[in-house]
Amino acid sequence: QVQLKQSGPGLVQPSQSLSITCTVSGFSLTSYGVHWVRQSPGKGLEWLGVIWSGGSTDYNAAFISRLSISKDNSKSQVFFKMNSLQADDTAIYYCARNLRRTVYAMDYWGQGTSVTVSS
Amino acid sequence: DIQMTQSSSSFSVSLGDRVTITCKASEDIYNRLAWYQQKPGNAPRLLISGATSLETGVPSRFSGSGSGKDYTLSITSLQTEDVATYYCQQYWSTPLTFGAGTKLELK
Repeated sequence: QVQLKQSGPGLVQPSQSLSITCTVSGFSLTSYGVHWVRQSPGKGLEWLGVIWSGGSTDYNAAFISRLSISKDNSKSQVFFKMNSLQADDTAIYYCARNLRRTVYAMDYWGQGTSVTVSS
Repeated sequence: DIQMTQSSSSFSVSLGDRVTITCKASEDIYNRLAWYQQKPGNAPRLLISGATSLETGVPSRFSGSGSGKDYTLSITSLQTEDVATYYCQQYWSTPLTFGAGTKLELK
């Protein structure tokens, strides 16, 4: 069955970077895109970006200067990196599979990585 | 960016009620709308895409409608397991954007 499993730290120091790996199973990264979304009480659900099956990426312009999404198809892994984190980046970060081509909704989600930015 | 407004942040419901949740986009999104259900501690669950297409496994008491800027999610005969927070999301243009959510609470 389709699964997305996230691994990454729960605590990040201010100004440091956040790296999360999303390991997928039950589907191929060469066939589906993977989105990154975060959720916080203050800002709700925010779309951060997506890496498409062909490897191209789209980023939310609000984060483009400090966000990078890449993948390794052979390992079924998607890599998320955000730089220069501040307190208001405290959130739950999710990876999620794109439903299908031209329908940019998310049908399967990772378990979420709860990230706190604090010294 | 397209803003998605869910007019009610929460409302009280009773089991068996018909519930309608509304979502308004700041511009025409041409039915590029998804609805999600989220329960505490869980990731969102996709219910509907394309404004009206029910995802596999979603009970038929859920339905979506709307066009242009205005969309609704309806639940006929609310069940206990439907008590959750519901979000709309547009995918007409990037950045993809979500509504702030509508939380259903039992009376």
